[in-house]
Amino acid sequence: DTGVSQNPRHKITKRGQNVTFRCDPISEHNRLYWYRQTLGQGPEFLTYFQNEAQLEKSRLLSDRFSAERPKGSFSTLEIQRTEQGDSAMYLCATGDGDFGPGTRLLVL
Amino acid sequence: DAKTTQPTSMDCAEGRAANLPCNHSTISGNEYVYWYRQIHSQGPQYIIHGLKNNETNEMASLIITEDRKSSTLILPHATLRDTAVYYCIVRVYNDYKLSFGAGTTVTVRA
Repeated sequence: DTGVSQNPRHKITKRGQNVTFRCDPISEHNRLYWYRQTLGQGPEFLTYFQNEAQLEKSRLLSDRFSAERPKGSFSTLEIQRTEQGDSAMYLCATGDGDFGPGTRLLVL
Repeated sequence: DAKTTQPTSMDCAEGRAANLPCNHSTISGNEYVYWYRQIHSQGPQYIIHGLKNNETNEMASLIITEDRKSSTLILPHATLRDTAVYYCIVRVYNDYKLSFGAGTTVTVRA
């Protein structure tokens, strides 16, 4: 079993709605990473945190995306005004390279 | 962009060894070779990593050529549960901003 939990595991939403995903590493990690994976492709880096600080964002992370890690433990990823192109699996990983099971988003 | 090249797919018979090649001709001296796999609808799972020596663990063996420009992941006795997409990644140690390619889809057949 992975040392990272993600909730929800599945999310179906209508275009234009906001969604929020959560990532909870079981143990403390300084670094936390978010990835996005579309069908048939490998995961793509979105952003990462060093403790509470968001240190890098990919160009894939549009203005509609925001991520936080308020206490340096769990992290949230919010997508505002979802679009059909946001449909993907959203994965988080710790600084040890341990990936969570992902949240699969479907935007109708 | 991914720095590795892998075959798109391969089949393997259950109980036989599966040899998965990976080319990483532009690897830098401080970059390691990592292998992950992803079983359908799950997150990527770490398998093994190495710098220049061959490595073995309970899951697999990793053979890295002397010039480090290619490597082979060996699953010694493939089972149906090994059916997955296998990713070969090169990265600096402790930097988990990983660059995945499309990987190799391995299908183990009974």
